[in-house]
Amino acid sequence: GAVVSQHPSRVICKSGTSVKIECRSLDFQATTMFWYRQFPKQSLMLMATSNEGSKATYEQGVEKDKFLINHASLTLSTLTVTSAHPEDSSFYICSASYGLNEQFFGPGTRLTVL
Amino acid sequence: QKEVEQNSGPLSVPEGAIASLNCTYSDRGSQSFFWYRQYSGKSPELIMSIYSNGDKEDGRFTAQLNKASQYVSLLIRDSQPSDSATYLCAVKWNTGNQFYFGTGTSLTVIP
Repeated sequence: GAVVSQHPSRVICKSGTSVKIECRSLDFQATTMFWYRQFPKQSLMLMATSNEGSKATYEQGVEKDKFLINHASLTLSTLTVTSAHPEDSSFYICSASYGLNEQFFGPGTRLTVL
Repeated sequence: QKEVEQNSGPLSVPEGAIASLNCTYSDRGSQSFFWYRQYSGKSPELIMSIYSNGDKEDGRFTAQLNKASQYVSLLIRDSQPSDSATYLCAVKWNTGNQFYFGTGTSLTVIP
């Protein structure tokens, strides 16, 4: 149980384009989903917290107009990186939670912006 | 500022030995603590969660929590080469439901 999927697993795009990443909880309803970013050899950095049906809460320093988060249902959240640039290249990981405690991680999406 | 700190390592232990990983946190009111394992290029997977002082054992893994001293540790007994990974400590603060992660400790188990 508690399986989270992400799509795509890997994406390469040109600078200036937008990329959408999907995060789905497959066997449970996720009251909260989280989006993280991880640069090589660094830890996870929380970008935003998303509750179904409400606006995401962004961490300090994360541009909400650049990283658009939609949590339209209890099983789906999307992250759109708008006007991506090479410095946005990173490993983006979502996680989902259905209670107060554990978070379950998706497999991650590796974004490369050329 | 809320912080979670880990020794980045690398930590090397021989196969069969006990690996000890430590984590300290800054918020005395923190309530939930987690250890995740992350293989290179993969996302984290949950190993253990612990919520109250003392030890919690699950197979070869033991989590230890001391809220008065604000640290949580993970012991891996009979370490195996497949345990080689980065171990992330995560703390959930009393307010909100976000997790905050340490920078991780890289563990290498030498055959």
